[in-house]
Amino acid sequence: EDKVVQSPLSLVVHEGDTVTLNCSYEVTNFRSLLWYKQEKKAPTFLFMLTSSGIEKKSGRLSSILDKKELSSILNITATQTGDSAIYLCAVENSGGSNYKLTFGKGTLLTVNP
Amino acid sequence: NAGVMQNPRHLVRRRGQEARLRCSPMKGHSHVYWYRQLPEEGLKFMVYLQKENIIDESGMPKERFSAEFPKEGPSILRIQQVVRGDSAAYFCASSPSVGNSAAFFGQGTRLTVV
Repeated sequence: EDKVVQSPLSLVVHEGDTVTLNCSYEVTNFRSLLWYKQEKKAPTFLFMLTSSGIEKKSGRLSSILDKKELSSILNITATQTGDSAIYLCAVENSGGSNYKLTFGKGTLLTVNP
Repeated sequence: NAGVMQNPRHLVRRRGQEARLRCSPMKGHSHVYWYRQLPEEGLKFMVYLQKENIIDESGMPKERFSAEFPKEGPSILRIQQVVRGDSAAYFCASSPSVGNSAAFFGQGTRLTVV
């Protein structure tokens, strides 16, 4: 069974801090790893990673995949209170004709002013 | 271009009643995925549908749950004889093609069984 483990489960920081969120996975037929931000509503897509070692960047957020270590990190620099959310990591399985996502439990990030 | 639309946003049902959750995919999307999020848990895959076909229902409970995506109209997730353990947020995602489940999620339906 595919498995995604995120750490830490929760994190409290002050505005301006830099945070690193971790995601490790076990999946047959790996296709991609995805990061989402969830703020009490729909998960919002952040990044999709398919190639090892290539950093994806969007403003203060960046992410990188390590296929050898079966892991990914999500970095947020100069955090703001608006970054407070649950960050979800998911892996996409391309086995057969099905491309379903397996999610981790998420990391609850709280950024205090 | 409206996103994935789910309704209702909140649904309260008494034990034993039926719950119907609707999902209208983004325009041009013919692939729909349903996920369930229990309190303190990540999203769990339930079912993957294309128009008029169930492709993968490996995440669906064997009893009381069913899903459809008719040729016309929204996808429906139906839960019969609801129990308290069915209380959860149910999210729908759609994508334009197979192999692109990065997908766009709807706002979810929060089902509460009392």
